[in-house]
Amino acid sequence: QVQLVESGGGLVKPGGSLRLSCAASGFTFSDYYMSWIRQAPGKGLEWVSYISSSGSTIKYADSVKGRFTVSRDNAKNSLYLQMDSLRAEDTAVYYCGRDGLPAGLYFDHWGQGALVTVSS
Amino acid sequence: EIVLTQSPGTLSLSPGERATLSCRASQSVNNNYLAWYQQKPGQAPRLLIYPASSRAAGIPDRFSGSGSGTDFTLTISRLEPEDFAVYYCQQCGTSPYTFGQGTKLEIK
Repeated sequence: QVQLVESGGGLVKPGGSLRLSCAASGFTFSDYYMSWIRQAPGKGLEWVSYISSSGSTIKYADSVKGRFTVSRDNAKNSLYLQMDSLRAEDTAVYYCGRDGLPAGLYFDHWGQGALVTVSS
Repeated sequence: EIVLTQSPGTLSLSPGERATLSCRASQSVNNNYLAWYQQKPGQAPRLLIYPASSRAAGIPDRFSGSGSGTDFTLTISRLEPEDFAVYYCQQCGTSPYTFGQGTKLEIK
């Protein structure tokens, strides 16, 4: 069955960096677009970034553009999110999500989430 | 950016009743690419409906979606105890891929 497992969350100071990973299994990872979606404590959902199946197309939400970098390694069935210049407002649970295909960007499978806390 | 407004913010109903949740977009949703998700406390969201009216795999037929353009509805025909949760809509056609603020469905 499809499994997505995030790791790498933790406590970081404002201005610091963190790298999240998402390990995928149970499907052909290289066939799917993947996204990061976040949820601040007690708040709603916010799409953060997507990367195409080959990695050639990437998009970001304006709130993270220039600070976050999404990447993938299809040989390792893994998705990554490099987060730099972190701010308090980046505090959230970060989910990786698989694009459901064939059209539009929606998420038919989600990981369990990784908590990122930005605080001094 | 397309803003999605969900109503009501909180819906209090009893098991066995019918629930109607609304999602209104600030502009037409491209090709009616709208999804509905359910989220329970401490869990990741689960896909219910996409696009607009098709149930995802394994979703009971008491869940149905309808609508087009800017107005969409999620209906739960007869509430089961496990249906009490927060529901989000998401437009999937135009970047940034925005979510509504959620409707909390609580037991009356």
